[in-house]
Amino acid sequence: GDSVTQMEGPVTLSEEAFLTINCTYTATGYPSLFWYVQYPGEGLQLLLKATKADDKGSNKGFEATYRKETTSFHLEKGSVQVSDSAVYFCALITNSGYSTLTFGKGTMLLVSP
Amino acid sequence: DAGVIQSPRHEVTEMGQEVTLRCKPISGHNSLFWYRQTMMRGLELLIYFNNNVPIDDSGMPEDRFSAKMPNASFSTLKIQPSEPRDSAVYFCASSLALAGDSETQYFGPGTRLLVL
Repeated sequence: GDSVTQMEGPVTLSEEAFLTINCTYTATGYPSLFWYVQYPGEGLQLLLKATKADDKGSNKGFEATYRKETTSFHLEKGSVQVSDSAVYFCALITNSGYSTLTFGKGTMLLVSP
Repeated sequence: DAGVIQSPRHEVTEMGQEVTLRCKPISGHNSLFWYRQTMMRGLELLIYFNNNVPIDDSGMPEDRFSAKMPNASFSTLKIQPSEPRDSAVYFCASSLALAGDSETQYFGPGTRLLVL
């Protein structure tokens, strides 16, 4: 079945550091890939997505590129802020009939001033 | 748009009591999802509806859980009787599922349930 594997957290960084959160997936067919973010006490929000190979999703300084050859969708940001502290979820959906999102376990990011 | 609305935001109840969680999806969306989030298991899909019809309820833990969607703008998740192990954050999400399109799900703020 479909699955998503994320690096375990927490990831602890100082403000303005470079961020990478690794995500790899296993799926049948050609999935669409997502990053969701969950701030403390809130629901999940879509951060960015990519629907086909080599697409780059970007939002709020975050980027991720859909790499079919390595089945990866790593999240990056050049300079993190304290306000980026949250849990980040990688997810996929296969566009076949009634399909649902498959989530990774989430990676907590803690950014200190 | 107001986004996905869930109520109540917090619920504290005693073991054995009935609990009803409510969700109003985004207007015009045709798919609705119920998730449960715990530290131990992470985010689990319980059930989802398409055009008010339950499509997959394989994630519902046991018969104590039931979900309904009587119309396109309202859904409930009921636990009867509740148990302490049901304590979790329950999220509702909705999306507009179009044939051949990727589906972005929009999440509500969640209901934090504590069963004593």
